[in-house]
Amino acid sequence: EIVMTQSPVTLSVSQGERATLSCRASQSVGTKLAWYQQKPGQAPRLLIYGASARAVAVPARFSGSGSGTEFTLTISSLQSEDFAVYYCQQYNNWAPLTFGGGTKVEIK
Amino acid sequence: EVQLVESGGNLVQPGGSLRLSCAASGFTLSSYWMTWLRQAPGKGLEWVANIKLDGSEKYYLESVKGRFTISRDNAKNSLFLQMNSLRAEDTAVYYCARGEAGGGVHTFWGQGTLVTVSS
Repeated sequence: EIVMTQSPVTLSVSQGERATLSCRASQSVGTKLAWYQQKPGQAPRLLIYGASARAVAVPARFSGSGSGTEFTLTISSLQSEDFAVYYCQQYNNWAPLTFGGGTKVEIK
Repeated sequence: EVQLVESGGNLVQPGGSLRLSCAASGFTLSSYWMTWLRQAPGKGLEWVANIKLDGSEKYYLESVKGRFTISRDNAKNSLFLQMNSLRAEDTAVYYCARGEAGGGVHTFWGQGTLVTVSS
């Protein structure tokens, strides 16, 4: 099983600032890495797949990078609607597909 | 518009059974892998099972193997999860999701249905 580790657990950021979230895989997943955003009481929403490709209708302020075992999600200028929990997920090795524990982005 | 609507969640005693359903609309179900995922209260996301386009391949989380069965009826645009021998640790919101990139990327999610296993 590939273990996904996200850091930090909580990130306090002011609106308009840049946020950088990290995700590490216990072994290489190539670029088979996705990022999801989840707001309270809502289902997750796909943001990024293939480590760096934005999903449909995702604003350009969201960008993903990395390959192998180290990945980053960057939100260039945080908007009020971006405060949420973010999860990374690998899909290089199935059964199981695995998620990181999440990073909560909160208002500073 | 793509829509996934789960149903069937309920309070059930340990050892009991439930069958979850997911009604799909706005796309051709037979063209996509489909997945069940779950989220325990206050916890992160966990993949549970997924099923190939025609149901010929199924994969399960180790802890649910032999207890849960994923199935689909493409003619009725529906996905199912039969859950038997339920345990307290199965308590969660269960989501169905449409899979792409060979099923590993979850592009659309339902709103979820709550399963509570408790005596």
